[in-house]
Amino acid sequence: LAKTTQPISMDSYEGQEVNITCSHNNIATNDYITWYQQFPSQGPRFIIQGYKTKVTNEVASLFIPADRKSSTLSLPRVSLSDTAVYYCLVGFQKLVFGTGTRLLVSP
Amino acid sequence: EAGVAQSPRYKIIEKRQSVAFWCNPISGHATLYWYQQILGQGPKLLIQFQNNGVVDDSQLPKDRFSAERLKGVDSTLKIQPAKLEDSAVYLCASSWAVREQYFGPGTRLTVT
Repeated sequence: LAKTTQPISMDSYEGQEVNITCSHNNIATNDYITWYQQFPSQGPRFIIQGYKTKVTNEVASLFIPADRKSSTLSLPRVSLSDTAVYYCLVGFQKLVFGTGTRLLVSP
Repeated sequence: EAGVAQSPRYKIIEKRQSVAFWCNPISGHATLYWYQQILGQGPKLLIQFQNNGVVDDSQLPKDRFSAERLKGVDSTLKIQPAKLEDSAVYLCASSWAVREQYFGPGTRLTVT
């Protein structure tokens, strides 16, 4: 299983773009990169998933370089409600959650 | 579309007692997962079912934890006997595709 490394915490202000980078040096050929968001007292929620290059949906973008050894989750114009823990997962048949990145958005 | 349902939401028991958690996945989802999330940590997979068969239970403490998924739909997770270190949130998730899992609200277990 690919091991992931992400910052423990990040701070931002409302309206700013936030980029959270995840390192996964031993990613396997079949592995996908998936990001989840978790609010206190709730289960994680799927945000976005990609295999290579760039993926965009209504809430986030995911940038994956050609070597796929890292990925960046981009949250445009964050609001207070984006304060949460963000998990980067790498895998195909099995996904392993790390400790995640705690994002704090301030006014 | 109804989400993943779990009950109870909270449970307090004394050590050495037994407890059971119930999960009803999203209709049509063949894969069901049970996770344990200790405060401050990411969820840890305990067991994964595909329909009513076990795909992965490598991290399930089988001396005290058991899980079943009858008829490939609902699932129960049991702990017997409970230890203090079992205090955690127990999350159930289901998926159609492995990589996009839908989580329930979890059951917060406190063992005293």
